[in-house]
Amino acid sequence: DTGVSQDPRHKITKRGQNVTFRCDPISEHNRLYWYRQTLGQGPEFLTYFQNEAQLEKSRLLSDRFSAERPKGSFSTLEIQRTEQGDSAMYLCASREGAGSPLHFGNGTRLTVT
Amino acid sequence: GEDVEQSLFLSVREGDSSVINCTYTDSSSTYLYWYKQEPGAGLQLLTYIFSNMDMKQDQRLTVLLNKKDKHLSLRIADTQTGDSAIYFCAEIPYSGAGSYQLTFGKGTKLSVIP
Repeated sequence: DTGVSQDPRHKITKRGQNVTFRCDPISEHNRLYWYRQTLGQGPEFLTYFQNEAQLEKSRLLSDRFSAERPKGSFSTLEIQRTEQGDSAMYLCASREGAGSPLHFGNGTRLTVT
Repeated sequence: GEDVEQSLFLSVREGDSSVINCTYTDSSSTYLYWYKQEPGAGLQLLTYIFSNMDMKQDQRLTVLLNKKDKHLSLRIADTQTGDSAIYFCAEIPYSGAGSYQLTFGKGTKLSVIP
């Protein structure tokens, strides 16, 4: 069990640029989640995949955000035309079943200048 | 509504017990979780409790659940400097949408004084 892996760990980008983050979940986990965490706050739910299907999206996920999980394994989160308010830690998590614990990666810290 | 509340700060002396408290609003929550976050890192699962349990003990950690008051606590015995971190309480609120996503509190920053 290698845990949930996220890449990159840190990303600094200029406002208006596009960024893409990758998440590799624990291999036998079919449920994958993206969360966003800003300073002094707990993680906030963004979106959820079961296998390759994106089944739920938070209202926090604006039109500039898109997530995919094309083969039901790794997932990508893309932010287009980044804004300074997008600066946050983006966390990926996976789980085996509905009520089982979420296992988190170490996150990607995005800084938009 | 879905809301999890925690006090923001707790300071204890090394060797003492720490008690971190949490209240939640969704009475239909099935599982409640405690996570630990160290600076610059993701969230590490510490322990969790099913809603039909009152207490769960795991080494130095004791979780108490009071469903009537919707109150959850985490007790850390013999607190060590390595326990300094932010502790998050989380619930799975009833969403009806099937994602079973977790709703987190803002976290309690535990500072352990040597």
